[in-house]
Amino acid sequence: GQQLNQSPQSMFIQEGEDVSMNCTSSSIFNTWLWYKQEPGEGPVLLIALYKAGELTSNGRLTAQFGITRKDSFLNISASIPSDVGIYFCAGDYNQGGKLIFGQGTELSVKP
Amino acid sequence: EPEVTQTPSHQVTQMGQEVILRCVPISNHLYFYWYRQILGQKVEFLVSFYNNEISEKSEIFDDQFSVERPDGSNFTLKIRSTKLEDSAMYFCASKGRVRAYNEQFFGPGTRLTVL
Repeated sequence: GQQLNQSPQSMFIQEGEDVSMNCTSSSIFNTWLWYKQEPGEGPVLLIALYKAGELTSNGRLTAQFGITRKDSFLNISASIPSDVGIYFCAGDYNQGGKLIFGQGTELSVKP
Repeated sequence: EPEVTQTPSHQVTQMGQEVILRCVPISNHLYFYWYRQILGQKVEFLVSFYNNEISEKSEIFDDQFSVERPDGSNFTLKIRSTKLEDSAMYFCASKGRVRAYNEQFFGPGTRLTVL
């Protein structure tokens, strides 16, 4: 079945540093989404991408839909302690159907 | 801001018992989903529902699982005879009216513990 490989698995950074994480797939996706999950809660949608090459920002977050449609990255600039959580990429290859999730990147920010 | 709600937040049950997990999707949304997340793992798709019928289901969603939209607001997931391996967080998600825009909004989840 469709799989997403997300890296890195975890990151330990200092407050103020920039962060980058990415997802790759062997298959083409029509949509890439980035979610953040905090302990005991549901995933919260951060950014949605719909076109190859699209670059979208949401505050300090920036995400891009890869030209090949097989990858996406998420950057967080000037990290703060409340950025702590698990970030998941998710892709849709079936035009509005189920989402396939990556394994997640656990972000820890040291004040 | 509209949000997806789920009840209960935590359900403990004995193996073999039936459980019903409840969700209230965002009010003008038309597409509904259930996902699950085993502790420490990624989120996995279970089933999608549109126009009062299942659109797609995964291998996990076997005959022990069923979904229903009994009225205009609730969306339920029933597990008929729970197994130990059904222990997980179950998330409901909903999406708006345009199929191609796949921004799915998730509820806070129900933690199901099967003893």
